[in-house]
Amino acid sequence: DQQVKQNSPSLSVQEGRISILNCDYTNSMFDYFLWYKKYPAEGPTFLISISSIKDKNEDGRFTVFLNKSAKHLSLHIVPSQPGDSAVYFCAASPYGFNKFYFGSGTKLNVKP
Amino acid sequence: NAGVTQTPKFQVLKTGQSMTLQCAQDMNHEYMSWYRQDPGMGLRLIHYSVGAGITDQGEVPNGYNVSRSTTEDFPLRLLSAAPSQTSVYFCASSLSAPNTGELFFGEGSRLTVL
Repeated sequence: DQQVKQNSPSLSVQEGRISILNCDYTNSMFDYFLWYKKYPAEGPTFLISISSIKDKNEDGRFTVFLNKSAKHLSLHIVPSQPGDSAVYFCAASPYGFNKFYFGSGTKLNVKP
Repeated sequence: NAGVTQTPKFQVLKTGQSMTLQCAQDMNHEYMSWYRQDPGMGLRLIHYSVGAGITDQGEVPNGYNVSRSTTEDFPLRLLSAAPSQTSVYFCASSLSAPNTGELFFGEGSRLTVL
């Protein structure tokens, strides 16, 4: 049973608009969360992280929001660019552990 | 700067054959790991290592062996390949252990077992 779920397999957004990617988790022990971006035929690359002591973390156009009570996190990309078209994975773990659990990914398509 | 290098990039095996997927990193990272990516399943951790001589199991370790004799290398062995092991395999490393999750991934190895 997957402990991290990304229920939207795909998302299509117009260039310049906001992209919102969602992720839900079931394990209440998770307290560290990350987003990865993956282009075809490449390995995933780290994008942004957040620990459970925060509810928001920003890095340029990327913001991650964490709602612990709902066991939900989201990644906002503003403004979206065609180069953002990729598969996005969220991942979670108890902090300091060596096992990260990944969601199944959301394929984002940003249309010019 | 090579980063994480995986070989081979593509491999076709017959059921019952054995093979080793190679992984090497040149960043002096303590932590190394292997994931498999399957459609609808995301990335699942197979095995990981927090340093030379130390390995541990991930979510889906059955059918795979690993060893870590040097800091740089972390090979993944399939002793008797099965069709269920058809997947894309990623090796990933991180500077420190415990791992903060900021992993550096290789480009992947696509394995097909007939």
